[in-house]
Amino acid sequence: DAGVIQSPRHEVTEMGQEVTLRCKPISGHNSLFWYRQTMMRGLELLIYFNNNVPIDDSGMPEDRFSAKMPNASFSTLKIQPSEPRDSAVYFCASSSPPPYEQYFGPGTRLTVT
Amino acid sequence: RKEVEQDPGPFNVPEGATVAFNCTYSNSASQSFFWYRQDCRKEPKLLMSVYSSGNEDGRFTAQLNRASQYISLLIRDSKLSDSATYLCGTNSGYSTLTFGKGTMLLVSP
Repeated sequence: DAGVIQSPRHEVTEMGQEVTLRCKPISGHNSLFWYRQTMMRGLELLIYFNNNVPIDDSGMPEDRFSAKMPNASFSTLKIQPSEPRDSAVYFCASSSPPPYEQYFGPGTRLTVT
Repeated sequence: RKEVEQDPGPFNVPEGATVAFNCTYSNSASQSFFWYRQDCRKEPKLLMSVYSSGNEDGRFTAQLNRASQYISLLIRDSKLSDSATYLCGTNSGYSTLTFGKGTMLLVSP
């Protein structure tokens, strides 16, 4: 298996622009997670899906962030408009229960100038 | 109190040393526990799950202490390649994991 695939790996954009991050989970996994990692806050869960349905989006910082999972093999995280404080590494992970071991993608390093 | 806490380190040890990290968790309902390894500018990678009875994988031993609500990771005969940040994660409900901020390990020649 190729593992969790994320694109792009790096994204540099200007404040106010729309950013779309993409994720393909491991085939057969029915849970998908979006995380954000910064030095200050560590690894934070933004949202997670179970069987393509958003279950908990309480970690989404504000309305500028949205996520979708139109099918079992694809998810997007969108930031519109982007701000410099959104600069971070965004990871996607997938798992199949139990025991809920999560496998992470390589991440997208986002820089908003 | 934070849900999952780890000593950020860094732990500086020479090659061949034994080193141990602890991770405390606040949710007594946590059921699953994991150790992840994260190299600089890379994604977290699952190192091992932590079972109630403790488990060992080569030089790595993980243990769970439910009474005191912590998990531990012991690394024997440290290698230079063990230098990384070690994250612990606990399952706090359904399939979500809550992670600590990690403990940095630096193994020197």
